[in-house]
Amino acid sequence: QLVVTQSPSASASLGASVKLTCTLSSGHSSYAIAWHQQQPEKGPRYLMKLNSDGTHSKGDGIPDRFSGSSSGAERYLTISSLRSEDEADYYCQTWGIGIQVFGGGTRLTVL
Amino acid sequence: EVQLVESGGGLVQPGGSLRLSCAASGFTFNNYAMSWVRQAPGKGLEWVSAISGRGRSTDYADSVKGRFTISRDNSKNTLYLEMNSLRAEDTALYYCAKRADIVVVGDFDYWGQGTLVTVPS
Repeated sequence: QLVVTQSPSASASLGASVKLTCTLSSGHSSYAIAWHQQQPEKGPRYLMKLNSDGTHSKGDGIPDRFSGSSSGAERYLTISSLRSEDEADYYCQTWGIGIQVFGGGTRLTVL
Repeated sequence: EVQLVESGGGLVQPGGSLRLSCAASGFTFNNYAMSWVRQAPGKGLEWVSAISGRGRSTDYADSVKGRFTISRDNSKNTLYLEMNSLRAEDTALYYCAKRADIVVVGDFDYWGQGTLVTVPS
């Protein structure tokens, strides 16, 4: 069964970097994912598509502070030079035949 | 500029029906698959349904299969979700999401602001 797993929460200080993780279920380590950001009381915003080889393509207007990388079944979102507006929920999304799947989301707190 | 504007949400009694709409602009609508994604209060994102660019192919989450129907009118650049036999667990903010290309499954590159559906228990 295709599942993506995320830690419920993360925190980092203003100006620092943070790395969020999305883990694909067994047998699905070659799957691409997408990262989305949801700020409080707003609709989601597309950040990037991230492939298994670590290559990624970002959405319109997404700053260079956001980057992606991959290792095995893990997909990462790194946010550098954290700003207060980065405090948000971050969701990973993957897909298979006839199905789209979201992780439970990681709530990022900027200290 | 891509814009997706949902409408049609509201309060409906269990067992009732509702039709959601999503008006799209800023891109060639029939070149892209579209989806509905929902978010229950305080919860995460849940994919609901998808439709291909020409409307010939559709997919549904198991939780709504047989009760919801997705459709589109490419002449009006509008996506729809017909929801029947509504249950309390269908209460959520419903988002319209644009696929990044013509293939039905894959990443969503634009989202609307959502329309709220409330089904009391």
